[in-house]
This record gives sequence, C-alpha cells and structure tokens, in this order.
Amino acid sequence: GEDVEQSLFLSVREGDSSVINCTYTDSSSTYLYWYKQEPGAGLQLLTYIFSNMDMKQDQRLTVLLNKKDKHLSLRIADTQTGDSAIYFCAVSGGYQKVTFGIGTKLQVIP
Amino acid sequence: DAGVIQSPRHEVTEMGQEVTLRCKPISGHNSLFWYRQTMMRGLELLIYFNNNVPIDDSGMPEDRFSAKMPNASFSTLKIQPSEPRDSAVYFCASSTGQGISGYTFGSGTRLTVV
Repeated sequence: GEDVEQSLFLSVREGDSSVINCTYTDSSSTYLYWYKQEPGAGLQLLTYIFSNMDMKQDQRLTVLLNKKDKHLSLRIADTQTGDSAIYFCAVSGGYQKVTFGIGTKLQVIP
Repeated sequence: DAGVIQSPRHEVTEMGQEVTLRCKPISGHNSLFWYRQTMMRGLELLIYFNNNVPIDDSGMPEDRFSAKMPNASFSTLKIQPSEPRDSAVYFCASSTGQGISGYTFGSGTRLTVV
C-alpha cells in the first residue's frame, strides 16, 4: 500500500524559514495535503496541492511538489512561535482513503 | 456547523472494562473515519465508512474492537475488553468523499486504560 515518510522533528529559530519534507511511494497520488496538529487538538487541513501542480503559495506557506522524486515539501516563511505544532503530510489517490505520514514536530525557538 | 464532535474528550477506565467512543460527523459528509494516534505508531486508520457502510476495517487491531454507524449522523467505536495497550488518542474524521475535500477531524478522545 501507500507509504508516506517524514522526519520526526525540526527545530528552527523564530523568524527563520522552516522546510518540512515528505516522500511518498504511490506515483498515482492525485491530491497531496499538509495538516497541522496543535497540542490537544485534532488535525486541521492547512493546505493542499494537486498532482498536476509544481508549486502552490498561500501567504507564508509554500508547497513544492516533485512528482518525479515523489517528494513534497512545506515551507513556512518567517516562522512564528504559533507555528509550533506537528505537521502531517498526506496523500490520496482521489478516492476516499487518505494516507498520512507519521508527522513532523516543529519546534520554534524564540 | 460545529464540526466533527467526539465524546468523551477523556476516558480513563480499568483493564477489562468496555469502552465506547462516540462521533458525530459533519452534516452532509458521507464518509467517516476512525483513527488511533500513538507516539510509536503515529496515525493509524482503523476503519472507514461510506454512506454508513463499513468499507475497510483492515486496520482494526483485534476482535476486541468494533465500530458501527447506525445512521449518517452517529458512529461508535467500542473496545471490549479494553487493555492498557489500547491507551491512545482516538480521532474521528469525516469528509464528502469527493476530490480534494480532505478530512475534517474531531478533537479526539484520549483513552487511558489502567
């Protein structure tokens, strides 16, 4: 089945850019997502990208997709302490089932 | 819409007891998912329903786990008997099941089995 891999932890200084990386195995993945989980809360959809796109920008967030390498990244510009959370990469083939990575814990140091 | 509503938020129970977790999906969403989150395994899909019908329960760890969706606005996940290794946060999520919609997650139930 589909496998989604992410690093477990990332630490950055406030004001720097954060880049969270993800790789997936199923080349037919159609929709790719980034979710954010704050402490004690459920996952919240942050942004998404279609597989026919290379990049998507939404305010401080930039999503890059390299389909050839099956690599997805999330860049957060001017990282703030409020960005501290766990970020999940997720992919879907277009039907209902979405496969999630294990999540990357982002720690922002003031 | 109030979002996906789960209850209880926290549950502490003794080993061997029955535990029932509840979920109310977003109105109009026809797909519902139960996930379990632990530090060791991350987010695991346990079961999902489409139009109240269980589609894939391959993630249900053992026969001690069962899930039902009697109607479009309610689902339960039951563990009987519970064991300490079942301690985790259990999330319910719903979606329209179409395209890019993604999932809307509830706030989760933190289960502790002592």
